[in-house]
Amino acid sequence: QKEVEQNSGPLSVPEGAIASLNCTYSDRGSQSFFWYRQYSGKSPELIMSIYSNGDKEDGRFTAQLNKASQYVSLLIRDSQPSDSATYLCALTPGGSNYKLTFGKGTLLTVNP
Amino acid sequence: NAGVMQNPRHLVRRRGQEARLRCSPMKGHSHVYWYRQLPEEGLKFMVYLQKENIIDESGMPKERFSAEFPKEGPSILRIQQVVRGDSAAYFCASRGQESTDTQYFGPGTRLTVL
Repeated sequence: QKEVEQNSGPLSVPEGAIASLNCTYSDRGSQSFFWYRQYSGKSPELIMSIYSNGDKEDGRFTAQLNKASQYVSLLIRDSQPSDSATYLCALTPGGSNYKLTFGKGTLLTVNP
Repeated sequence: NAGVMQNPRHLVRRRGQEARLRCSPMKGHSHVYWYRQLPEEGLKFMVYLQKENIIDESGMPKERFSAEFPKEGPSILRIQQVVRGDSAAYFCASRGQESTDTQYFGPGTRLTVL
């Protein structure tokens, strides 16, 4: 079983819609969870971090964490064409030195 | 407040040559991580260093790859006798002292092996 799995893409949504990105993980001891955005040919850019169960909102972005279900999600409200990118779910596995384990990413396209 | 710096941004090597990639962490950060992103694959952890110490190199290939983070100067990822399969984007990330501090990524070095 892969350590971090993301919903298969690509995902295409119209401008103004809500984009929903999902991620499951296998290590119950995982400590910290992150969503990174990566534009083609660029480096990952941190969008959200979440450490405890529940929702965390930052502008148009909401991260949700459910440790019992080993599930992390990212909602993007009022999606814009500039949100078109690959979204990477990442976590620090339990007992690690805070090295990040990444999913393969979900490519999001927001159509004008 | 300068971010994570990496150089060179692009590096072309022929098979058998050495590649040397440099990373300067953000000011105040003493933890450095190297990740590799192969074409069409996700980011994979390679090595975690603090000043003068390798903390975790479990993601490093056993041969040809080495990393250091000296007391003075940038962290260096060295790949000896490069092969075509080493062609990838290599990212460095740094974080501060607190355990929950996020890692901030540099722009990456894109290595192409001819």
